[in-house]
Amino acid sequence: DTEVTQTPKHLVMGMTNKKSLKCEQHMGHRAMYWYKQKAKKPPELMFVYSYEKLSINESVPSRFSPECPNSSLLNLHLHALQPEDSALYLCASSLHAAGRGNTGELFFGEGSRLTVL
Amino acid sequence: GENVEQHPSTLSVQEGDSAVIKCTYSDSASNYFPWYKQELGKRPQLIIDIRSNVGEKKDQRIAVTLNKTAKHFSLHITETQPEDSAVYFCAASKGAGNQFYFGTGTSLTVIP
Repeated sequence: DTEVTQTPKHLVMGMTNKKSLKCEQHMGHRAMYWYKQKAKKPPELMFVYSYEKLSINESVPSRFSPECPNSSLLNLHLHALQPEDSALYLCASSLHAAGRGNTGELFFGEGSRLTVL
Repeated sequence: GENVEQHPSTLSVQEGDSAVIKCTYSDSASNYFPWYKQELGKRPQLIIDIRSNVGEKKDQRIAVTLNKTAKHFSLHITETQPEDSAVYFCAASKGAGNQFYFGTGTSLTVIP
């Protein structure tokens, strides 16, 4: 299995809703990432988990709450979002975590397209 | 932090011609430079990468060159085909589990 699987593919939510995005990989990768991508823009890093611990938080607002229940799963909990949070949310994984080996390929999921009304 | 600049932002070439996309980076500690291709509505996918101990790498029609002294790296696509049309992102990273700094992207159109 060489895939990163994200669900749901599409999500529409109101500003008062609580929802979650899910990401799963079974490649034994030890680092997992959340990126946000607006149309025609590069992916912007939100969070990095290394060995299931949050290692990087790029000053993301608290209405986004990441969770890594185990080495294969990564969640992004959403609450009280704003319309400007509408974007494609990409999960990615890499074999090694920080300081544990050469940088390798980032494997991206297909993304969850979020619309906030 | 790292700053990655990418040029051009759009590029149109005739089928069969070559395409070159250039990136510069600012942090000399960056040691890994991947190139990602993203088709419309799809995920970014790695097409080629290069590490700082290598100057050039080639994979069929795609090649990447790295000049560590000048802090720039380039993507070369030869014999372009319509299916090469996509947005290409360069990136720089200092190590596994760290930030990947992406360039602003180049929208490549190959005209049949």
